[in-house]
Amino acid sequence: ILNVEQSPQSLHVQEGDSTNFTCSFPSSNFYALHWYRWETAKSPEALFVMTLNGDEKKKGRISATLNTKEGYSYLYIKGSQPEDSATYLCAFENNAGNMLTFGGGTRLMVKP
Amino acid sequence: KAGVTQTPRYLIKTRGQQVTLSCSPISGHRSVSWYQQTPGQGLQFLFEYFSETQRNKGNFPGRFSGRQFSNSRSEMNVSTLELGDSALYLCASSIEGGELFFGEGSRLTVL
Repeated sequence: ILNVEQSPQSLHVQEGDSTNFTCSFPSSNFYALHWYRWETAKSPEALFVMTLNGDEKKKGRISATLNTKEGYSYLYIKGSQPEDSATYLCAFENNAGNMLTFGGGTRLMVKP
Repeated sequence: KAGVTQTPRYLIKTRGQQVTLSCSPISGHRSVSWYQQTPGQGLQFLFEYFSETQRNKGNFPGRFSGRQFSNSRSEMNVSTLELGDSALYLCASSIEGGELFFGEGSRLTVL
């Protein structure tokens, strides 16, 4: 059974705060690490798919880093806004392909 | 471009019945995967289909089955429903090896 852990489980921040979450995953048989954002009453939406050790990706105020050797990824949100409130999911894809193992998610709430 | 469409969105069944859920992927996407989310659990992988072949199956009992048609549309079936099958069932499609595009899900309640 693959273990994908996310921390913290939930986070309350004030508008304008910067924040970050952690995803840890197995360092063996790695193929890709996915990040998704899931707003209430909507469907999960992909943020990043990272494959190479040392990868850093950015989309607006959100960025992510990847360390495949030690098995972790960080997601950063700079200057949080209320519309960033959502659950952020990471998912490990192994080299058997096409099957994602999701972490439990980090629920972010941004207060105006 | 139309997104991933799942039907029905909501349904209520009783224990022992069976249910079929449908998923229409984004045009051109040949990989369709299914996930279950129950309260307190993360998304759990059910199965993945590509070109009508099941390539991967998660750790679920044989009551859970699926198939994919030649137009890439997919169905999943749960037979002999149990209370614990109450969940949100999400379908996702993708181009081989890329990000998943999720539908809005089918919420199943088993009474």
